[in-house]
Amino acid sequence: GESVGLHLPTLSVQEGDNSIINCAYSNSASDYFIWYKQESGKGPQFIIDIRSNMDKRQGQRVTVLLNKTVKHLSLQIAATQPGDSAVYFCAEMVGSGYSTLTFGKGTMLLVSP
Amino acid sequence: DAMVIQNPRYQVTQFGKPVTLSCSQTLNHNVMYWYQQKSSQAPKLLFHYYDKDFNNEADTPDNFQSRRPNTSFCFLDIRSPGLGDAAMYLCATSRGAGAYEQYFGPGTRLTVT
Repeated sequence: GESVGLHLPTLSVQEGDNSIINCAYSNSASDYFIWYKQESGKGPQFIIDIRSNMDKRQGQRVTVLLNKTVKHLSLQIAATQPGDSAVYFCAEMVGSGYSTLTFGKGTMLLVSP
Repeated sequence: DAMVIQNPRYQVTQFGKPVTLSCSQTLNHNVMYWYQQKSSQAPKLLFHYYDKDFNNEADTPDNFQSRRPNTSFCFLDIRSPGLGDAAMYLCATSRGAGAYEQYFGPGTRLTVT
């Protein structure tokens, strides 16, 4: 069967709290980043993206921060809800031309009512 | 709604018995991707098609093949499944190669007995 999976880092929060999920990316040449949300048994769902010429981008209840100096990306979720419980992946891409995404290790977010 | 569809959602095959997973899209996207995702791990890119051009990742085993007969459909063929091939297989599409959002299907969970 499947090989034993790794244990995912887990962030547990209370409903209504703000959540911050962090991601360290590997390639200093990466210039496009996406955060995906994956619920159990489903495919990844796009949340927000950011290009390397930006430090911050905001969506509805979500903010992505990019620190290129230390190769760090974070996803902030405001007023976290039980429906936000999922695994969150960051993904990076090198170049705006012909390139592909490389996914980072995920973080499981558990939201308690 | 435009979407990425994967069939079947669950597939059971026997060790060594060829199996084909299918993906279709109504987004009219140029690029289609196949990812393998094992439990608690990030999706791992196997290969992708830009239109009819096939692009294999360097570490994708020869046991995995793909076909894209037209814009809408893409197939993943596993010639001789081993127990280690049990995983979730995700299909994704994007409008172009490079810094474009990838849209994922719901995945096919493959079990090898």
